Amino acid sequence: GENVEQHPSTLSVQEGDSAVIKCTYSDSASNYFPWYKQELGKRPQLIIDIRSNVGEKKDQRIAVTLNKTAKHFSLHITETQPEDSAVYFCAAYPRRFYFGSGTKLNVKP
Amino acid sequence: GAGVSQSPRYKVAKRGQDVALRCDPISGHVSLFWYQQALGQGPEFLTYFQNEAQLDKSGLPSDRFFAERPEGSVSTLKIQRTQQEDSAVYLCASSLARDLSYEQYFGPGTRLTVT
Repeated sequence: GENVEQHPSTLSVQEGDSAVIKCTYSDSASNYFPWYKQELGKRPQLIIDIRSNVGEKKDQRIAVTLNKTAKHFSLHITETQPEDSAVYFCAAYPRRFYFGSGTKLNVKP
Repeated sequence: GAGVSQSPRYKVAKRGQDVALRCDPISGHVSLFWYQQALGQGPEFLTYFQNEAQLDKSGLPSDRFFAERPEGSVSTLKIQRTQQEDSAVYLCASSLARDLSYEQYFGPGTRLTVT
């Protein structure tokens, strides 16, 4: 089956800085890559996603890039704010969803 | 509108007890998923329904786990003879499309603690 690895496991940045979270996957059949934000005690919520026929997608301060050849994709958050503090999960979909182990982002004011 | 709801939100069970966890998906959503999320980990797939049909149950960890969605809406995840390793948050998610590569909407989860 698919194997999704995510790093770093924790990331601390100063407010206003950028944050980058990276994921790798193993199954070349994976064709859909969502990113979820999960605040403490809350449900995961989709923040951005990308399909395998696209290399980059942006939505305001959030962007995702995909390198199919290298089988990795990354989440980029610019101008971070304290409310961006949460756990972020990447996922890959070849027939079903496989999630990474999460990155705890702490944005210091 | 109403999102995915789950009940109970918290459940404490003694080892060996049976539990039933309920999921109410968004009305009209065809696809329904169950995930198990251990502390500090990402969600792990358990099973998937398209309407009332259970199309994939390959993630269920043992035959003590059973899920159903008899009328294609509400789903129940049942765990028999609970063990301590079953302690986790159980998340339900639903999606409008049959094509699984679409947004899933998660419920708040049921935190199961087996003592």
